[in-house]
Amino acid sequence: GAGVSQSPSNKVTEKGKDVELRCDPISGHTALYWYRQSLGQGLEFLIYFQGNSAPDKSGLPSDRFSAERTGGSVSTLTIQRTQQEDSAVYLCASSLAPHDSYNEQFFGPGTRLTVL
Amino acid sequence: AQKVTQAQTEISVVEKEDVTLDCVYETRDTTYYLFWYKQPPSGELVFLIRRNSFDEQNEISGRYSWNFQKSTSSFNFTITASQVVDSAVYFCALSESQTGANNLFFGTGTRLTVIP
Repeated sequence: GAGVSQSPSNKVTEKGKDVELRCDPISGHTALYWYRQSLGQGLEFLIYFQGNSAPDKSGLPSDRFSAERTGGSVSTLTIQRTQQEDSAVYLCASSLAPHDSYNEQFFGPGTRLTVL
Repeated sequence: AQKVTQAQTEISVVEKEDVTLDCVYETRDTTYYLFWYKQPPSGELVFLIRRNSFDEQNEISGRYSWNFQKSTSSFNFTITASQVVDSAVYFCALSESQTGANNLFFGTGTRLTVIP
């Protein structure tokens, strides 16, 4: 079956603009995660969805970041008023049985965001 | 607080040599899970191996093996008879059962270069 897909693969935007990043998880995976990978911060957790709800938003770096998930499937990460420090690769992952930490997370190819 | 340390930033080996990647973790949880992921130049994180905190049995899977020692909080990963295709960044990650989100805490990664 298909893996996790993300779009766009690359996004270049100007400082101050809003961007939306999309993630399509593996079918049947109820847990969905967003991570950010940047040179200065490494791989960091942003937000977790169980179904359509987000019980853990602790990793979102500021209130300019938000995410939603609809139909227990597709998720959108929105960054408002982008700043240069938002430049990074945004990775999405999904997994089965979210309450079982033993299940591995399957990662998408990421969206490379560049804020000019 | 949880923490994953990969002290080796970069390693270079000649093809067919064995290589061990080090990982040291910190957690207050008694139940936790450890993972190794590979990130090839294409960028997509690929799951390799996992271990839970109750099982210190070390195993071999093909050319991969791991050494999990709770006494030293280490989860080292070995590739035997390395190949050029093993060249990638390798991440060690920790998931704690008490977070609920089961999100992964990553180390900073070790870049492995296998020289033909």
